[in-house]
Amino acid sequence: NAGVTQTPKFQVLKTGQSMTLQCAQDMNHNSMYWYRQDPGMGLRLIYYSASEGTTDKGEVPNGYNVSRLNKREFSLRLESAAPSQTSVYFCASRAFSGGAYEQYFGPGTRLTVT
Amino acid sequence: EDQVTQSPEALRLQEGESSSLNCSYTVSGLRGLFWYRQDPGKGPEFLFTLYSAGEEKEKERLKATLTKKESFLHITAPKPEDSATYLCAVQAVGSGTYKYIFGTGTRLKVLA
Repeated sequence: NAGVTQTPKFQVLKTGQSMTLQCAQDMNHNSMYWYRQDPGMGLRLIYYSASEGTTDKGEVPNGYNVSRLNKREFSLRLESAAPSQTSVYFCASRAFSGGAYEQYFGPGTRLTVT
Repeated sequence: EDQVTQSPEALRLQEGESSSLNCSYTVSGLRGLFWYRQDPGKGPEFLFTLYSAGEEKEKERLKATLTKKESFLHITAPKPEDSATYLCAVQAVGSGTYKYIFGTGTRLKVLA
């Protein structure tokens, strides 16, 4: 049981390049999330997917698109990368367990845009 | 505006020196409050969920408590392996069941 996996672990892009961050979970969770984490700021929600086939904007969606490919996979795409998108990106899935909602996070993708 | 503030930003403790981390929140209505632990270079790891004032949860040396305005994470007799950043997050009633607001965290260092 791998939990939440993310690829790649590290990426350097030039301004204007595009890329897709991949996320997969093997826990059969319905909802999945994409966050970014920047120094001095809390985790900020980019997009989420409450269930397979649905996606919704979070707090900072501009410059990003997402695809919920199936129940397991939720990808994040940067169409034209900007230096302001330099950040650490975390994918998460959510489960209801023991009377509480728990989020399980992946190891993160460290993205630098030059 | 819904807001979460954690204090202190950083904390250094000697091994065995108990202390508390604070998470204060301002939300229209609290759906849940969550504590996570994050080690350097890794994703956050879920610790606790608290739903109502007066609720308490415990796990090893950690105990989380909740009031109507804040939550505390009490660390009893910490060990060096408790060194990490501790994050607090809330779900507000007005923001739906899927959105979380995170604080900036408290970086804890426990010295041997």
